[in-house]
Amino acid sequence: ELKVEQNPLFLSMQEGKNYTIYCNYSTTSDRLYWYRQDPGKSLESLFVLLSNGAVKQEGRLMASLDTKARLSTLHITAAVHDLSATYFCAVDSRGGSNYKLTFGKGTLLTVNP
Amino acid sequence: GAGVSQSPRYKVTKRGQDVALRCDPISGHVSLYWYRQALGQGPEFLTYFNYEAQQDKSGLPNDRFSAERPEGSISTLTIQRTEQRDSAMYRCASSRTTGRGEKLFFGSGTQLSVL
Repeated sequence: ELKVEQNPLFLSMQEGKNYTIYCNYSTTSDRLYWYRQDPGKSLESLFVLLSNGAVKQEGRLMASLDTKARLSTLHITAAVHDLSATYFCAVDSRGGSNYKLTFGKGTLLTVNP
Repeated sequence: GAGVSQSPRYKVTKRGQDVALRCDPISGHVSLYWYRQALGQGPEFLTYFNYEAQQDKSGLPNDRFSAERPEGSISTLTIQRTEQRDSAMYRCASSRTTGRGEKLFFGSGTQLSVL
């Protein structure tokens, strides 16, 4: 059974600081997804990582994938309040299509002034 | 429509009643998914369709749960004889295809409460 573990589960940080969220998974996969969820809202796709060494950046967020270590990271640079949300990573557990994602428990990020 | 639409937004029902949750995917999206999200957890896969064909229902918890997408567009998730443990947020998602790297677009969900 595929397991996806995120840490930390709760992260409180000050504006302007940097931090990294980690996503470990238990089986071979080369497709990993990051989603953002605001309170009471739906999930919004942030990044799709499809190969070992893939790196994607948008704004203050950068995601990377190391398939050999079965690890993805979501790095936050110079955090701002608007980044406060829950961040989920998800791993595709089947080859050939992406329909069966296994999600981590999420990291609740709070950015304080 | 502009996004994935789900109805009702909230559903409160008594134990033992049947409920039907509706999902209207993004127009033209071939693939449709149902996930369930408990409070403080990530979404959990339930079932998935390509067009009208249900390709995988391995995530449905038991035979009280069923889903259909008869015309390859709108889908209904039905829970018969609801139990309190069925209470959760039920989310629908769609994607253009199930090709590698396709993004899933999630709806706002139906919050089901079984009393």
